[in-house]
Amino acid sequence: GAGVSQTPSNKVTEKGKYVELRCDPISGHTALYWYRQSLGQGPEFLIYFQGTGAADDSGLPNDRFFAVRPEGSVSTLKIQRTERGDSAVYLCASSLMLAGPWDTQYFGPGTRLTVL
Amino acid sequence: GNSVTQMEGPVTLSEEAFLTINCTYTATGYPSLFWYVQYPGEGLQLLLKATKADDKGSNKGFEATYRKETTSFHLEKGSVQVSDSAVYFCALRGRDDKIIFGKGTRLHILP
Repeated sequence: GAGVSQTPSNKVTEKGKYVELRCDPISGHTALYWYRQSLGQGPEFLIYFQGTGAADDSGLPNDRFFAVRPEGSVSTLKIQRTERGDSAVYLCASSLMLAGPWDTQYFGPGTRLTVL
Repeated sequence: GNSVTQMEGPVTLSEEAFLTINCTYTATGYPSLFWYVQYPGEGLQLLLKATKADDKGSNKGFEATYRKETTSFHLEKGSVQVSDSAVYFCALRGRDDKIIFGKGTRLHILP
C-alpha cells in the first residue's frame, strides 16, 4: 500500500511568513510523529499524536510551532512568523499504534523548508 | 537524558570491504535500538532493530548486536556494495516512546 506522504516536498518562504506542512500517514496508523532534521544532524523529535490528540508536544521549540490532527489521520504542522533558523527538513512518521518497543515507525520523504 | 553517539563520517570504503559504524548510547532503563538508513533522494527507512540485551538485528547483510554492558549497537557488514552508499543513523527509543537519533554517518562505497 501507499506509504507516508508529505506535501509540499519543498517550500521556500520569506522570514516572518506563515507556513503549513502536511502529512498523510499510512492508512490505519493511529500514531503520527513529526521530526525536524537540520543540515548534518539526525532527526529531532517535535510532537506525536495518538489519534486526534497530541500525546507529547515537548519537542516543539517554541509557541510559533503548532500541529493538529483533527480527524485522526492527516496532520498539519504550522509555523508562524518563520525565522531563518526554521530552515530544515521536516519529517513525518506513522506507526500502527503506540505499542511499545516493537512498534515500527514509517517515515515520509520529508518537506524541505527554506526561510529566506 | 537519553542520547546516541555515532562515529562521524564520511566513511569511504572500497566495494567488498568490511564495514563497522560505531554507535553508543546513554539511556535510563532498557531502550530499543535501531539503525535507520537514508539513501540518496529517499526517505528514512528502518534497517534493523533490537529490543533487548544480546538481541541481534539483521537485514540486507547488515547486523548489529545490543550490548548492554558496553551500551553499544555497532553496525557491521561483511562485504559492502556500491548500493550501500547512504547515510546511516543509529537511534534509540526509550520509555517515553520518543526516538532519539544520532547525527548520522555518511557512507561512500567506491567501485
